[in-house]
Amino acid sequence: NAGVTQTPKFQVLKTGQSMTLQCAQDMNHEYMSWYRQDPGMGLRLIHYSVGAGITDQGEVPNGYNVSRSTTEDFPLRLLSAAPSQTSVYFCASSYMGGGNEQYFGPGTRLTVT
Amino acid sequence: AQSVAQPEDQVNVAEGNPLTVKCTYSVSGNPYLFWYVQYPNRGLQFLLKYITGDNLVKGSYGFEAEFNKSQTSFHLKKPSALVSDSALYFCAVRDIRTSYDKVIFGPGTSLSVIP
Repeated sequence: NAGVTQTPKFQVLKTGQSMTLQCAQDMNHEYMSWYRQDPGMGLRLIHYSVGAGITDQGEVPNGYNVSRSTTEDFPLRLLSAAPSQTSVYFCASSYMGGGNEQYFGPGTRLTVT
Repeated sequence: AQSVAQPEDQVNVAEGNPLTVKCTYSVSGNPYLFWYVQYPNRGLQFLLKYITGDNLVKGSYGFEAEFNKSQTSFHLKKPSALVSDSALYFCAVRDIRTSYDKVIFGPGTSLSVIP
């Protein structure tokens, strides 16, 4: 199994540009999520999904959109990039049930200039 | 409200010595507790978790953690540190009564094991 994969690994955007961060998992996990990691702040949940066609907002959803058309894929869209969105983004997945651990992708390092 | 504290930004320990990375939490109900490790330029990897039962939980790479309900703590421990244990460690908590968007991660503790 490849686990959780993310593309691209690195990205530089100009303010106002849009882009999509890709995330895929091959473990048939129902739950998928996007986090951003900023120094000293741990991981903050952006959006999550409990199955195809079902998404919801996390702690810091503004400026981001998600959709989940299949169990495997959970792309994150930046609508109009801002410097405040400079961060490292992680996708994660798990089986349903709050006691299940999450599996994380390798991350995407995004810089917005 | 839920919260997780990792009171030490940095922990330094000599190779072969025992290590402890501290975590305290606050939830209104009973918690699910997790430890994850992050090596440089990598995603987080699961180490261990407490769901219920025995307060001492054993996990990957020789790590263990003790759940202490009265002190609301879940400290990560290892009897003998290795240089390869140097990484960033995150504690996470979820109140079992809340929905998925309430998984809270601590700010992380950087562990350096000195040869």
